[in-house]
Amino acid sequence: GNSVTQMEGPVTLSEEAFLTINCTYTATGYPSLFWYVQYPGEGLQLLLKATKADDKGSNKGFEATYRKETTSFHLEKGSVQVSDSAVYFCALRSGGSQGNLIFGKGTKLSVKP
Amino acid sequence: GAGVSQSPSNKVTEKGKDVELRCDPISGHTALYWYRQRLGQGLEFLIYFQGNSAPDKSGLPSDRFSAERTGESVSTLTIQRTQQEDSAVYLCASSRGTSLFNEQFFGPGTRLTVL
Repeated sequence: GNSVTQMEGPVTLSEEAFLTINCTYTATGYPSLFWYVQYPGEGLQLLLKATKADDKGSNKGFEATYRKETTSFHLEKGSVQVSDSAVYFCALRSGGSQGNLIFGKGTKLSVKP
Repeated sequence: GAGVSQSPSNKVTEKGKDVELRCDPISGHTALYWYRQRLGQGLEFLIYFQGNSAPDKSGLPSDRFSAERTGESVSTLTIQRTQQEDSAVYLCASSRGTSLFNEQFFGPGTRLTVL
């Protein structure tokens, strides 16, 4: 079945460091891929998405490229800020009538000043 | 409303009791999803509603779990005879439809603790 695997945290970085959070997936067909973020005390928010191979999703300085050949959707940011501290979830959504999301376990990021 | 709301925000109950969780989706959103997030785990899909179609219950973990939705409005998730393994954050999401291009908007969740 469909599944998402993302790197385990927690990840602790200093401000302005480079961030990579790895995400790989298993899916039939051609899923859409997402990164969601959950800031402390807040609900899940969509950070970025990509709906087909080689698409790059980007938002707030974060980027992820849909790599079909490696079934990956790694999240990157060139220079993290303290305000980026949150839990990040990689997810996929496959075709079909449901449309439900399948999530990875989440990666907690802490950015120190 | 402005966003998806859920109530209560926290619920502590004793093993064996029934609980009811509520979700108010964004007005006009025809699709509504329930997910569960247990400690250290990702979100698990439980059930979804699309308009007036029969709900997809394929993610419900046992027959103690049920959910209802009236039309395109409020949904309630009921857990009967709660067990300790039901302790989790229950999240509700809504979207305009089930297309891959329809973003799901999440509520803040209900944290359920079963003692």
